[in-house]
Amino acid sequence: QQQVKQSPQSLIVQKGGISIINCAYENTAFDYFPWYQQFPGKGPALLIAIRPDVSEKKEGRFTISFNKSAKQFSLHIMDSQPGDSATYFCAASMIPGGSQGNLIFGKGTKLSVKP
Amino acid sequence: DAGITQSPRYKITETGRQVTLMCHQTWSHSYMFWYRQDLGHGLRLIYYSAAADITDKGEVPDGYVVSRSKTENFPLTLESATRSQTSVYFCASSDRGGPYGYTFGSGTRLTVV
Repeated sequence: QQQVKQSPQSLIVQKGGISIINCAYENTAFDYFPWYQQFPGKGPALLIAIRPDVSEKKEGRFTISFNKSAKQFSLHIMDSQPGDSATYFCAASMIPGGSQGNLIFGKGTKLSVKP
Repeated sequence: DAGITQSPRYKITETGRQVTLMCHQTWSHSYMFWYRQDLGHGLRLIYYSAAADITDKGEVPDGYVVSRSKTENFPLTLESATRSQTSVYFCASSDRGGPYGYTFGSGTRLTVV
């Protein structure tokens, strides 16, 4: 119930295309869903996050779509660029904090954007 | 410099040796975390700390020890390193409980031979 399942493991997209990464969760108590971006040799960095009271959140070329009934959420990268090539992690947790607020991460998706 | 720093960046050690990975943050964040990153497993929580002198186990704590005598430091010790502990270790901090504002360090790549 604590798992967050992420797919695909790897993704190759042409420059200008749309990258889509999907995540699914089981624990209905999760109520915070962030995405982290990690470049080689660096630590993950928060990219965008969503709460379940909205179905979509957009920041620039990055959009989170959230489907509460299906317990799924996805990251869409529009007009993908070579600079977007990185590993992306979805995560989930419960609010408020304490140990239940610790982030549970998916296993990651390695995105390569070809020029 | 402000931020969260990990040292060393790279470490090779022998099986059975004790090794300590250091983590220092300059924001006085209450919460600090240690994760390990392995291919096929993503990020897994080893230990976390809600404040100085308060620590708790995460998903994969066996073989690791932590301490937090000062708010800014959160060292991770492998008491007797094993090859299965070869990994990239990330420290993170947060200024509030729960998931908000996790800032990760750049990681320590540890190889146990």
